[in-house]
Amino acid sequence: DVKVTQSSRYLVKRTGEKVFLECVQDMDHENMFWYRQDPGLGLRLIYFSYDVKMKEKGDIPEGYSVSREKKERFSLILESASTNQTSMYLCASSTDRAYEQYFGPGTRLTVT
Amino acid sequence: RKEVEQDPGPFNVPEGATVAFNCTYSNSASQSFFWYRQDCRKEPKLLMSVYSSGNEDGRFTAQLNRASQYISLLIRDSKLSDSATYLCVVRMEYGNKLVFGAGTILRVKS
Repeated sequence: DVKVTQSSRYLVKRTGEKVFLECVQDMDHENMFWYRQDPGLGLRLIYFSYDVKMKEKGDIPEGYSVSREKKERFSLILESASTNQTSMYLCASSTDRAYEQYFGPGTRLTVT
Repeated sequence: RKEVEQDPGPFNVPEGATVAFNCTYSNSASQSFFWYRQDCRKEPKLLMSVYSSGNEDGRFTAQLNRASQYISLLIRDSKLSDSATYLCVVRMEYGNKLVFGAGTILRVKS
């Protein structure tokens, strides 16, 4: 069974703090993705990675960066958190052979 | 214009009813199509892929109309456990990037 885990389910941070969200998958998937989900807007792609040390911008990369030093781990970094980054953050992974994405349970981040 | 558009609902239906959702996509070069299901406070999970010829999985039927650029999901004999948000998902012409619709809420009531 594919498992994607995220470091926290709930996180509260203050404006200006640096925030790290971590995602780990145990199925040797090549591709990993970070999304945010907001009511009425659905899932929006922030960044994705096709391989170790490779990253590509998604649709809303501003204010975020990512790191993929190992195949199984994909980190999302908010350099200076702002209130408009309050959201549900979902990590996903997939193989190159199939397009189904497997999601982690999500991190609900609140920036005050 | 959004790349993938869905009626947000909610669709409130009694148990045993048949309900259908539609979804439209804007990029005619889109290659693959899916329906995902997301339960309240849970992550999205693949419900079914959508093939050009249409496909069925138990009580669920998915259809694709490329000419009109829409995808549909039909649920027959609705169960309480079908209550969820249904996400229409499209893969663009290259790569593994998926575009998600905002979802349609279904509530099945006894």
